Amino acid sequence: DIQMTQSPSSLSASVGDRVIITCRASQSISDYLSWYQQKPGKAPKLLIYAASTLHSGVPSRFSGSGSGTDFSLTISSLQPEDFATYYCQQSYSNPRTFGQGTKVDFK
Amino acid sequence: QVQLQESGPGLVKPSQTLSLTCTVSGDSISSGDHYWNWIRQAPGKGLEWIAYIFYNGNTYYNPSLKSRLNISIDTSKKQFSLNLSSVTAADTAVYFCARVYGPLGNAFDVWGQGTMVTVSS
Repeated sequence: DIQMTQSPSSLSASVGDRVIITCRASQSISDYLSWYQQKPGKAPKLLIYAASTLHSGVPSRFSGSGSGTDFSLTISSLQPEDFATYYCQQSYSNPRTFGQGTKVDFK
Repeated sequence: QVQLQESGPGLVKPSQTLSLTCTVSGDSISSGDHYWNWIRQAPGKGLEWIAYIFYNGNTYYNPSLKSRLNISIDTSKKQFSLNLSSVTAADTAVYFCARVYGPLGNAFDVWGQGTMVTVSS
């Protein structure tokens, strides 16, 4: 199985901050990497697929980059509605695997 | 607008079989561009992918659960189902169904709201 490791596991930030979350795969996954946002009690929402493509309707303050084994999700200016947990996920091979999550909360 | 809705018992006894159904609306379940997934999340934990199924019945199961799993699809009802046998407390989780749309990098682009299943006597 491909292991996905996110860092940090949690971070505290303020509205307007630039936030970067990283995700590392245990082997190369090309660009088969997606990012999701999950709020308490809700299903995850797709933000980015193919490492850097913004999903329809997702604000442009979200961006993704990387290929191979190292990836990042950037929120350029954190908004109140962005406080949530973020997950990366690889779709390069089976079984599909997720990172452990990064919780973004108020500083 | 595509919607997925999970249904099934919220309480299952240990050693019994957990059975859930996901109903698809607003989309064709038989499109070759899509496949249909089960994902779960134990309380306070991360996401674990369980299995997927294509419209033609082809499946792939997470090896960690394979011996206890069976998923099926009924295209006429626009439903796919999960059966997980011999459950224990470790199977207590919110269970989500989700669609993968191939052109979106095989990402999970549509999710059901999730259904909480508790394994307890």
